[in-house]
Amino acid sequence: KQEVTQIPAALSVPEGENLVLNCSFTDSAIYNLQWFRQDPGKGLTSLLLIQSSQREQTSGRLNASLDKSSGRSTLYIAASQPGDSATYLCAVSPTGGFKTIFGAGTRLFVKA
Amino acid sequence: DTAVSQTPKYLVTQMGNDKSIKCEQNLGHDTMYWYKQDSKKFLKIMFSYNNKELIINETVPNRFSPKSPDKAHLNLHINSLELGDSAVYFCASSHSPGHGGELFFGEGSRLTVL
Repeated sequence: KQEVTQIPAALSVPEGENLVLNCSFTDSAIYNLQWFRQDPGKGLTSLLLIQSSQREQTSGRLNASLDKSSGRSTLYIAASQPGDSATYLCAVSPTGGFKTIFGAGTRLFVKA
Repeated sequence: DTAVSQTPKYLVTQMGNDKSIKCEQNLGHDTMYWYKQDSKKFLKIMFSYNNKELIINETVPNRFSPKSPDKAHLNLHINSLELGDSAVYFCASSHSPGHGGELFFGEGSRLTVL
């Protein structure tokens, strides 16, 4: 049974700092891994999608990596800004399946 | 031009009532989902439909009945509401695995049962 863990559960950093959010999963038979952002009271916004054959994806100040064999992904945020404050969720989709499993999220607070 | 839209956004109702939440996507996806986010913010899949066929039904009480009239719509009807049903319900859609599979979410429907 796939389990997704995100560490840390919460993180507070000063503006401008580079930071790394971690995601680990127990079953490496995944189709893709997706990182989302959720603002309070809002829906989930897709940030990056990494297919199982890829090692990383980049979008602006965000870079996500995937190491399928070790069951790990990281989301790197460069030069953090107060507007980055949100909960970041990692989700893995199984090979050939529709059941995407979510981690519990990392709540990020960037101080001005 | 919202990609995945759900209505209503907020729903406050009494225990024992029946309510429905509607979802529509204009992305041309063939797969739609209902997720439940509890008070601890944990997201858990409830149902998934692919081409109008139910393919995932996760240990959900049979008071919850999804219906997909076509590929662009997935509704959720809940009978005999209980206090524990209070949560945020998210609709999502994607292409089938093998065709991308990126998930897109609606804004959520916050259900409060009194």
